[in-house]
Amino acid sequence: DTEVTQTPKHLVMGMTNKKSLKCEQHMGHRAMYWYKQKAKKPPELMFVYSYEKLSINESVPSRFSPECPNSSLLNLHLHALQPEDSALYLCASRRASGGTGELFFGEGSRLTVL
Amino acid sequence: DQQVKQNSPSLSVQEGRISILNCDYTNSMFDYFLWYKKYPAEGPTFLISISSIKDKNEDGRFTVFLNKSAKHLSLHIVPSQPGDSAVYFCAARQGAQKLVFGQGTRLTINP
Repeated sequence: DTEVTQTPKHLVMGMTNKKSLKCEQHMGHRAMYWYKQKAKKPPELMFVYSYEKLSINESVPSRFSPECPNSSLLNLHLHALQPEDSALYLCASRRASGGTGELFFGEGSRLTVL
Repeated sequence: DQQVKQNSPSLSVQEGRISILNCDYTNSMFDYFLWYKKYPAEGPTFLISISSIKDKNEDGRFTVFLNKSAKHLSLHIVPSQPGDSAVYFCAARQGAQKLVFGQGTRLTINP
């Protein structure tokens, strides 16, 4: 199993809603990532979890709250988002150490904030 | 400040010819460079990588060249095939965990 699975694929939410994005991998990877990608822009790193602990937070606003319940799951809780937060949210995983740092990406969750 | 740059937003190549995608970087501390390919509505998929201590890595039709003195790398695809049409991202590893991406180049292979 070499897949990273993200749900939902599409999400539309209002600025007062609370929603969550979910990510799952069964490759035994111990590092998991959230990236945000706007149209015609590169993926931008948001958070990194290593061995279920938050190791990198790229100064992301607190309306985005990551959670890593176990080594296979990664959530991104969303609350009071702004329309400019509309983007493709990509989850990725990799082995925690060694190798080239290759990330395996999911297909993304496309978020629209109204 | 963009540490990884792909200055060509798009590239069009005839089927069977060589495609050359370019990438420049500014941070000499990057230790690995990677190329990803992205189709619409899919996540990026890993293509090929190169360590900063090497100058060439080849995998089938794909070859990556690294020129450290110029802080430049390139991806060569030969021969180009219609299925190669996608957006290609150059990425560089910073530290143990962080990948920094370029803006991407949309490659179109014409029959």
